[in-house]
Amino acid sequence: KAGVTQTPRYLIKTRGQQVTLSCSPISGHRSVSWYQQTPGQGLQFLFEYFSETQRNKGNFPGRFSGRQFSNSRSEMNVSTLELGDSALYLCASARRWGDEQYFGPGTRLTVT
Amino acid sequence: AQTVTQSQPEMSVQEAETVTLSCTYDTSESDYYLFWYKQPPSRQMILVIRQEAYKQQNATENRFSVNFQKAAKSFSLKISDSQLGDAAMYFCAYRSQLQTGANNLFFGTGTRLTVIP
Repeated sequence: KAGVTQTPRYLIKTRGQQVTLSCSPISGHRSVSWYQQTPGQGLQFLFEYFSETQRNKGNFPGRFSGRQFSNSRSEMNVSTLELGDSALYLCASARRWGDEQYFGPGTRLTVT
Repeated sequence: AQTVTQSQPEMSVQEAETVTLSCTYDTSESDYYLFWYKQPPSRQMILVIRQEAYKQQNATENRFSVNFQKAAKSFSLKISDSQLGDAAMYFCAYRSQLQTGANNLFFGTGTRLTVIP
């Protein structure tokens, strides 16, 4: 059974640009959560989607947004990139809301 | 808000020895889950072990076991017979069990474990 996949694995962007990251959950999983990992702030929750609906959102500015499609794949978008957005973005999927979360390998975003 | 504290930024252990990683948490909820995740240099976050707060019995997964002290809000991870492959960053995490609550994980700052051959 394939695990959680995230694309791209590495990304370099310039300040002010926008970026879209993609996450494909494990087959049969309907919940997708996103986390940001930085050396300074650690692991922080961004948002969670279940059945195409955003169930919960962390304390991030509106520049961070996401969505989930009918096949449970999810995308997150960051607009007007800032240097501080450089981070490892992790996606995690779960079969149902409340189940164990399985993480993908992450997307390393560097903003220059 | 729930907080998770890992007071040991770094730990080291000799191969084949036992090491214990500490974690404390703060919550006003009575039902919740606790987890230990491992993040090797490859960055993939891997679930090591989980504990339901309503269970008094400590969880065990092969060489990994926990010491869950609910009253003290303590959740330590013991790794027995340490192997080189155990070298990684270990994160303690909390999640609410409330059906109407958040499903997200609250993570500690991590403990970097080095295994010495």
